[in-house]
Amino acid sequence: DSGVTQTPKHLITATGQRVTLRCSPRSGDLSVYWYQQSLDQGLQFLIQYYNGEERAKGNILERFSAQQFPDLHSELNLSSLELGDSALYFCASSVSGTGGPETQYFGPGTRLLVL
Amino acid sequence: GNSVTQMEGPVTLSEEAFLTINCTYTATGYPSLFWYVQYPGEGLQLLLKATKADDKGSNKGFEATYRKETTSFHLEKGSVQVSDSAVYFCALSESSNYQLIWGAGTKLIIKP
Repeated sequence: DSGVTQTPKHLITATGQRVTLRCSPRSGDLSVYWYQQSLDQGLQFLIQYYNGEERAKGNILERFSAQQFPDLHSELNLSSLELGDSALYFCASSVSGTGGPETQYFGPGTRLLVL
Repeated sequence: GNSVTQMEGPVTLSEEAFLTINCTYTATGYPSLFWYVQYPGEGLQLLLKATKADDKGSNKGFEATYRKETTSFHLEKGSVQVSDSAVYFCALSESSNYQLIWGAGTKLIIKP
């Protein structure tokens, strides 16, 4: 158990809908990352937050947005969903989010299926 | 830009065989290197890491040595078990770039 929690575990929805994925980091970690894992694209970094502020952006679509709240939990919002958004979405956390040798700890993921 | 290349899978071995999963990288600076493992139906777990050249990371019988001259970080284990069946990801991280850059993953299947 990494200490990172994600809810829900599974999500099934229809095209055009909007969903919210939630992540709680490990106790003491200030940085949260979101990743998407799909069969065709592999693991892709979406976005990083540090202590409530956006720090880095990766291959995140404009239809997707995220935020980190004062209690450090984070939410990833996916809107106008398309079939291709079906994937496993991981949240990770780390102490300071400075990259380099710092380890990121991953949650169990949310499996999203768009029908 | 930075990138990680892993050997394609699946890799199928018999129990107690020797394992090597190749990983090479391209980076502009001096990255830290990681191996993560994903067991079926689970999230990603850090297996081992190395933060500078010639460092050796090790955990659960797995080892990998950071080779700057060959830009490689190959994963090895002397005697694999059925429970090692999983997908293994090589990744790098630079201090100037907060994200992890991932390889495509290598699926390992161990047969009894």
